[in-house]
Amino acid sequence: SAVISQKPSRDICQRGTSLTIQCQVDSQVTMMFWYRQQPGQSLTLIATANQGSEATYESGFVIDKFPISRPNLTFSTLTVSNMSPEDSSIYLCSGRVGNTIYFGEGSWLTVV
Amino acid sequence: GQNIDQPTEMTATEGAIVQINCTYQTSGFNGLFWYQQHAGEAPTFLSYNVLDGLEEKGRFSSFLSRSKGYSYLLLKELQMKDSASYLCAVRGSLSSGATNKLIFGTGTLLAVQP
Repeated sequence: SAVISQKPSRDICQRGTSLTIQCQVDSQVTMMFWYRQQPGQSLTLIATANQGSEATYESGFVIDKFPISRPNLTFSTLTVSNMSPEDSSIYLCSGRVGNTIYFGEGSWLTVV
Repeated sequence: GQNIDQPTEMTATEGAIVQINCTYQTSGFNGLFWYQQHAGEAPTFLSYNVLDGLEEKGRFSSFLSRSKGYSYLLLKELQMKDSASYLCAVRGSLSSGATNKLIFGTGTLLAVQP
């Protein structure tokens, strides 16, 4: 298994600002991902965080809005840029260990 | 297209058994996951099925039929703490280029009553 820690766990952000979420895994995972869960909805994959190269984004998500870094096998960051109220959501980091995908505790962002 | 269907809500009684169904239609298939998510918390891994049949893990069991595009999660000896959302997720196949992508259903909110 893997223990995945995220910071911040919660934040209230002003419209137009940017926030960076950090994700730390306790072991080397083969893959790291970022998901979003909007209020009352299920999880949607934003992107796959690739070590040492640009992330692979899903349809509807772009690098300018959600820049991602992954400098090594156990750490990644997601930035939510130029936030609007529509970005209020839970952002979840996840990692693959073998055939299983584990999730961090999530970062609850509210944009006002 | 990609589609995963689960009932929106279910209610069951403490000590009973409940079965949560999930049907899926995806462009590729490389395994099905069940996660539990309590309100205000992140999803917790419950089970993974890639072959047909039943996987049992304590009070929780998960079944898969690939030919029918169908899975269920069976919870036995229900406890109040089992009240949560249960998420079904399908992982894409290598041939579809989505071997690591999880597609989630909307989740089933289970309420366990005394």
